[in-house]
Amino acid sequence: GENVEQHPSTLSVQEGDSAVIKCTYSDSASNYFPWYKQELGKGPQLIIDIRSNVGEKKDQRIAVTLNKTAKHFSLHITETQPEDSAVYFCAASIKLFGNEKLTFGTGTRLTIIP
Amino acid sequence: GAGVSQTPSNKVTEKGKYVELRCDPISGHTALYWYRQSLGQGPEFLIYFQGTGAADDSGLPNDRFFAVRPEGSVSTLKIQRTERGDSAVYLCASSLRGGARETQYFGPGTRLLVL
Repeated sequence: GENVEQHPSTLSVQEGDSAVIKCTYSDSASNYFPWYKQELGKGPQLIIDIRSNVGEKKDQRIAVTLNKTAKHFSLHITETQPEDSAVYFCAASIKLFGNEKLTFGTGTRLTIIP
Repeated sequence: GAGVSQTPSNKVTEKGKYVELRCDPISGHTALYWYRQSLGQGPEFLIYFQGTGAADDSGLPNDRFFAVRPEGSVSTLKIQRTERGDSAVYLCASSLRGGARETQYFGPGTRLLVL
């Protein structure tokens, strides 16, 4: 099955600086890579996703890059703000038997230092 | 509804007891997923429903775990003879059709503690 590794497990950055979180996946058939943000006591919320036919996608301060050859993808947050503090999860998805099965990484706890 | 809702938000039970966790998906979403999230870990897939049927239950850890969705909307995750290792946050998610690369919308989860 799919295996997703995520680094770092914790990350602290000064407000206004950039944050980068990296993930690798094992199954070359994976074709969809969403990123979720989880705040304390809440469920994960999708913040950005990328499909396997695209190398980069940007949405305001958030961008994701995908390298299919190396099987890794990254989340980039620029001009970080205190409200960016949360746990971030990457995931990889394969559509099998009609099921879009997500495999999640172990999460990165991001702390923005004011 | 406005989003995925789950009840109860917290559940404390004793080892060996039976528990039921409920999920109300977004109205009109035919696909429903259950995940389990242990402390410090990412969500782990348990089961996927397309309509009323369980299309993929490969993530259920053993036969103590069972889930139903009798009318294709609300789903109930049932755990028999609970064990301390079952303690976790149980997340429910739904998507419009379960189609390729559709966004899964998560509920806030039920925090289960087995004493």
